[in-house]
Order: sequence, then structure tokens, then C-alpha cells
Amino acid sequence: QSALTQPASVSGSPGQSITISCTGTSSDVGGYNYVSWYQHHPGKAPKLMIYDVSKRPSGVSNRFSGSKSGNTASLTISGLQAEDEADYYCSSYTSSSLLAVFGGGTKLTVL
Amino acid sequence: EVQLVQSGAEVKKPGESLKISCKGSGYSFTSYWIGWVRQMPGKGLEWMGIIYPGDSDTIYSPSFQGQVTISADKFISTAYLQWSSLKASDTAMYYCARLDRGWLDSWGQGTLVTVSS
Repeated sequence: QSALTQPASVSGSPGQSITISCTGTSSDVGGYNYVSWYQHHPGKAPKLMIYDVSKRPSGVSNRFSGSKSGNTASLTISGLQAEDEADYYCSSYTSSSLLAVFGGGTKLTVL
Repeated sequence: EVQLVQSGAEVKKPGESLKISCKGSGYSFTSYWIGWVRQMPGKGLEWMGIIYPGDSDTIYSPSFQGQVTISADKFISTAYLQWSSLKASDTAMYYCARLDRGWLDSWGQGTLVTVSS
């Protein structure tokens, strides 16, 4: 199945806010609230940042927030910090495979 | 504390078989699905499939159906990912992760598989 569509890269300066989009279809993002976001620093295991579209796991900074409108989900990071520089992936349940699908990933650069 | 500990890096030749493991601890291993995720060099994450260790029910992503086998031994809290005949294109980092409803909330450290003649 096709991956969800994310921008390849985004950038922002420390203290600024950025938003990463994740576009799918009514068979995945638009049809279910099982959208999650992962932060991946190279050489480390990915880390869950957002689940069920907008919920934060315990221990994740409230600078990270999620939302969804139609077939597009979004991750917003406010008050950018140097340690936020990483790859970010969205994921959604998809009825086409009864499994889930990742987005292609977005590289966040903190200038 | 939930922990998933994966087996170490492997270097194999094309055509060889391989089975890598993922041992869970700190939770009821039979009550959560375990997922396997591939990351090829320089590429993004890909869902491979999931298994429910309680009854070994397995769902494969269409791209990986028939290419790998996912299994689990609930008595030793370990999930497995195996290949019967490796290809160079199987070179990748493989992660296992615990699936809590619709999200992967705890991840293993990853197993690097290198297939080269």
C-alpha cells in the first residue's frame, strides 16, 4: 500500500513553531483516529510522540501537539529546541491491509 | 518498565537463512501485539507485520507477505522475524515494537542485518 505523504524536510529556528503534515485517504487518516507520530534520531530507536491523533504519552513535552482535518493529520512543535532535530514519521491504521502504514518521513532541521 | 531487547547485528550471504529475535519484559507479553518495522539504508520506516503472542495470530503487510515469517514463543516472551533465503535487498535495520491498540509505544533497539557476498 502507498505510504502517507509527508514533506521531505522542514526547518525552523530555535523558539519558533513548525508543522508537519501527513496526508492520506479516507481509508486511513481520514477514516480513523489511529494516527500516531514518531521521532527518530539516527542510530536510536524511534519514540512515540503522539497517538490517537492528538494524545501525548506520559513524558512527552507539551510542545508537541497533533491534530487532524479530513485526510490530513498534522504535528506541531512549538518552542523549537536543538534536540528536536530528527526525522518524524506519521502512521495510521489502514483498512486496505488491516495493518498500518507510515508516512515517508520528514527531516526537521533546527537552524 | 516495558523493555524489548533485540538480538545482535548479523552479516549474512545471499541465499542464507536468518532468524532474529525480540524479547519482551516488564509487561504481559501475551496481551499485546508485537510489530516488526524495516528501515532500509537512507529510507523511511515500513510496517512489515504484527503478531499476537497469545495465540500467534499474524497479519503481514502486503509488501512482505511471503517474503518473511513472523512467529513468537509466548513461553519465553520472544518474537521472531525470519528469512529462508536472504537477498541483498534485505539489508536494513529491523525494529520490533509493542503495539498498544493503534500505536507502537515501546521499541526495541533495532537489529542491523547486512546481506553481502
